Amino acid sequence: DIQMTQSPSSLSASVGDRVTITCRASQSISNYLNWYQQNPGKAPKLLIFAASSLHSGVPSRFSGSGSGTDFTLTISSLQPEDFATYYCQQSYITPPTFGQGTKVEIK
Amino acid sequence: QVQLVQSGAEVKKPGASVKVSCKASGYTFTGYFIHWVRQAPGQGPEWMGWINPNSGATLYAQNFQGRVTMTRDTSITTAYMELSRLRSDDTAVYYCARDPYGDYAKYYFDYWGQGTLVTVSS
Repeated sequence: DIQMTQSPSSLSASVGDRVTITCRASQSISNYLNWYQQNPGKAPKLLIFAASSLHSGVPSRFSGSGSGTDFTLTISSLQPEDFATYYCQQSYITPPTFGQGTKVEIK
Repeated sequence: QVQLVQSGAEVKKPGASVKVSCKASGYTFTGYFIHWVRQAPGQGPEWMGWINPNSGATLYAQNFQGRVTMTRDTSITTAYMELSRLRSDDTAVYYCARDPYGDYAKYYFDYWGQGTLVTVSS
């Protein structure tokens, strides 16, 4: 199975900050990388698919980049509703696998 | 709007089985694969498999082969996931999630159910 490693595992930031989360795959996955946001007690929500395509209804402050093994999720200006846990997920090879998550907390 | 509504929380004893339902609405049920994903407390999500609601074809993750069965009832636009021989480490929230593409599985998930907590405890 492909291992997905996110860093950092948690971070503290303030409203308005630019935040970057990194995801690394254990082998090349081209651009088959997706990002989700999860609030406590809720289901994950799709933010970005195919490394850089914004899912319908997702604010433009979210963006994704990368290909091969290294990917980033950037939030350009952190909003109060963005404090959550973020997961990357590869859809290149079955089984699809997720990272362990990055928790974004209020500083 | 697309909605996936799951059945309620379950408490089961080790060795028992659990069956979780996922009622779809707001789109053509037979047009999109349904995946099942579980999330143990404090862990990242784990994919369990998919069902093609049109054909009934399934693909299960190797970790669950022999213990999981996914079915559907197109007349009521509902998918089901049954997990047998439950163990304590099966305690998790179980989600159904829709694949965004119709002709084949793309293995990412654009809409999710609200989750069903399954607790396995003696």
